Amino acid sequence: DAKTTQPNSMESNEEEPVHLPCNHSTISGTDYIHWYRQLPSQGPEYVIHGLTSNVNNRMASLAIAEDRKSSTLILHRATLRDAAVYYCILGPSGNTPLVFGKGTRLSVIA
Amino acid sequence: DTEVTQTPKHLVMGMTNKKSLKCEQHMGHRAMYWYKQKAKKPPELMFVYSYEKLSINESVPSRFSPECPNSSLLNLHLHALQPEDSALYLCASSPGQGIRNTEAFFGQGTRLTVV
Repeated sequence: DAKTTQPNSMESNEEEPVHLPCNHSTISGTDYIHWYRQLPSQGPEYVIHGLTSNVNNRMASLAIAEDRKSSTLILHRATLRDAAVYYCILGPSGNTPLVFGKGTRLSVIA
Repeated sequence: DTEVTQTPKHLVMGMTNKKSLKCEQHMGHRAMYWYKQKAKKPPELMFVYSYEKLSINESVPSRFSPECPNSSLLNLHLHALQPEDSALYLCASSPGQGIRNTEAFFGQGTRLTVV
């Protein structure tokens, strides 16, 4: 299985941008890069996903390196509500379901 | 409706009890999943159903018995559990089994305590 590496924890000030990194050096050409987050006492929720090009949605932006061996989830203005564990997951071809790694615990300071 | 609904939210059961966890979605998704999550750990995949048939069993002990009565419902039957089975049990669904270019939706989970 293709693996991802994320920092265990990160801290951000409220209303500042946050860049959450993910390394996936063994990614294959057909793997999508997915991000999910889990707020305290809730189930995981989808954030964003992409293949090669950078992606934007109402929650975040996903910046994918040209060689696709790393990616960065960007929260443009962190709020206290963004404090969560963020998971970077590769979505390979076939019928492979979501398999979670350890993720990054993001703390947001007021 | 983009919700996955799990009931109950909390469950306390004895080691000799039989109980069931329920999960429901009305998004027309054909893949449904059970995950187990211990405190401060990531969710671990337990079972995958695709088109109402069991597709993946991640070597889960037989005291956990999944059932998919129809395309909208997923149950997890529990019997003779151990205290170490106490965890948050999460249900999820997605349009198809692979998540390559799609998203999965998760319920809020059932917090299970085995006494």
